[in-house]
Amino acid sequence: GQNIDQPTEMTATEGAIVQINCTYQTSGFNGLFWYQQHAGEAPTFLSYNVLDGLEEKGRFSSFLSRSKGYSYLLLKELQMKDSASYLCAVIDSNYQLIWGAGTKLIIKP
Amino acid sequence: DVKVTQSSRYLVKRTGEKVFLECVQDMDHENMFWYRQDPGLGLRLIYFSYDVKMKEKGDIPEGYSVSREKKERFSLILESASTNQTSMYLCASSLSERENTGELFFGEGSRLTVL
Repeated sequence: GQNIDQPTEMTATEGAIVQINCTYQTSGFNGLFWYQQHAGEAPTFLSYNVLDGLEEKGRFSSFLSRSKGYSYLLLKELQMKDSASYLCAVIDSNYQLIWGAGTKLIIKP
Repeated sequence: DVKVTQSSRYLVKRTGEKVFLECVQDMDHENMFWYRQDPGLGLRLIYFSYDVKMKEKGDIPEGYSVSREKKERFSLILESASTNQTSMYLCASSLSERENTGELFFGEGSRLTVL
């Protein structure tokens, strides 16, 4: 079967750095997304990786290793507004999106 | 600013009732999707559409149907609501020549409770 694993919940301190991991076992790979979802709101796009390596976008970076079936989202200089759920999704060989259950990130002052 | 609008944020229905969830996007996107989101589970695809009048079953289509009469509007229909359909329903759209490689734009969700 196809599977996306993310930690259920993480806690970090304002101003710190946090890394949210995503491992996947899918039938093929055509890209990986990260979305952010604040409680009660729509998910919003953060990043898309299709090649190995690190993509940096401001305070957020996303890393991909296709050989390891692994990605992480790195959030720097954490702010209270970063408290949200972070969803990892993989496009498989049939171009179907497979979603992880999401990681709830709690930021403490 | 791009926008996906879902008609109802909160609905409470009784078992056996017919439920319509409407979704409208103003971005001229070809692709539209209906997902449900439940605690502890990833988003699950109910139905999707890549063109007007076209629909495809997703992973969990049982108990649901859809309608896409106009490009901007994608409706989800529960013919006879059941308690196990209590969930958050998310509509999304995307613009992509290759399915699913484009960024998804989501509506804010419709939280349905079936009593």
